[in-house]
Amino acid sequence: DAKTTQPNSMESNEEEPVHLPCNHSTISGTDYIHWYRQLPSQGPEYVIHGLTSNVNNRMASLAIAEDRKSSTLILHRATLRDAAVYYCILRGNNNDMRFGAGTRLTVKP
Amino acid sequence: GAGVSQSPRYKVAKRGQDVALRCDPISGHVSLFWYQQALGQGPEFLTYFQNEAQLDKSGLPSDRFFAERPEGSVSTLKIQRTQQEDSAVYLCASSLGRDREAFFGQGTRLTVV
Repeated sequence: DAKTTQPNSMESNEEEPVHLPCNHSTISGTDYIHWYRQLPSQGPEYVIHGLTSNVNNRMASLAIAEDRKSSTLILHRATLRDAAVYYCILRGNNNDMRFGAGTRLTVKP
Repeated sequence: GAGVSQSPRYKVAKRGQDVALRCDPISGHVSLFWYQQALGQGPEFLTYFQNEAQLDKSGLPSDRFFAERPEGSVSTLKIQRTQQEDSAVYLCASSLGRDREAFFGQGTRLTVV
């Protein structure tokens, strides 16, 4: 199965944009790129997903590299409530959904 | 219901006791996943169902762990002869497919004493 690599932790200032990177160099052509986040003491929640084109929704934007070997989750204005662990996951033809270690985002006021 | 429901929310079991954890997925969701999350760690994949078929159980840590989804909706994760290392939060998720978002329940916190 294709795997993802993310930095262990990142920091951001409140109300500034945050760019969370994910490398997936062994991605296959049919793998969807999903992002989830987990706030303390809660189950993971969906953030965004895409296949080839960049995606925008009310929570975030997803920028996918042209070769699809990396992607970036963009939070346009970080708030204290965005402090969480962010997971980048590939879902392939077998519908697998396995989590890595994720990136712990700290937002400073 | 509106979301994925798991019960019980909390379970304390004596070592050696059998436990059963329930997951009610969103109606119509064909995919159902179980995860084990230890304190401070990311969710670890346990098993995956598509409708009633268990397509991947490679993450189940031992033969004490068993999952079923007999009618393709509600799923039960059973742990036999619980041990202290089984203490964790057990998460369930459901989805329409890999090109759709997955929804997670709040989890069941299992404490084995």
